[in-house]
Amino acid sequence: NAGVTQTPKFRVLKTGQSMTLLCAQDMNHEYMYWYRQDPGMGLRLIHYSVGEGTTAKGEVPDGYNVSRLKKQNFLLGLESAAPSQTSVYFCASTIQGSTEAFFGQGTRLTVV
Amino acid sequence: AQKITQTQPGMFVQEKEAVTLDCTYDTSDQSYGLFWYKQPSSGEMIFLIYQGSYDEQNATEGRYSLNFQKARKSANLVISASQLGDSAMYFCAMRARGRTDKLIFGTGTRLQVFP
Repeated sequence: NAGVTQTPKFRVLKTGQSMTLLCAQDMNHEYMYWYRQDPGMGLRLIHYSVGEGTTAKGEVPDGYNVSRLKKQNFLLGLESAAPSQTSVYFCASTIQGSTEAFFGQGTRLTVV
Repeated sequence: AQKITQTQPGMFVQEKEAVTLDCTYDTSDQSYGLFWYKQPSSGEMIFLIYQGSYDEQNATEGRYSLNFQKARKSANLVISASQLGDSAMYFCAMRARGRTDKLIFGTGTRLQVFP
């Protein structure tokens, strides 16, 4: 059972380039979340989804877009990367009423 | 609005001693869940313990227990008999059920266990 898988694990982008981070879960979870982790700031919620075809903004949504076309996948897009988006990105998933949220292994993104 | 506050950026504890990591939260929702996660230096997020807002008993999982004080809106993590392997970042999180389903985190506490 793979759980939550993030692709890629590492990436270096030049300022202005675009990219998409993929989060895939095989647990049939309704809820999926994207976070960024920066030193001293914990995990900050970027966007989240409560089901296929629905997305909502989190605490720090600017500069990011998301899509949830299939229940198992949650994509995070950076249209024009900026150095301020250098961070570690985590995806998580869970179901309603669950006592645990499951995390991917993280993606380390550097924008130069 | 939901908010999680962890006021201890760093904590030290001697091996075999107990330590309490503080977490306070704010929400207007009546139904919510509180989580603690551990993040070792390798970076993965490891689930430790969960407490539901309607649970009358404090949650326990092995050496971990959650001191839940609903009126004070606090959900402190107690680690008993600390081990060197407990050295890590610890995050408190909250998920309000039903209305928003957001899962939000605090800024974390770095725990260092020394011999």
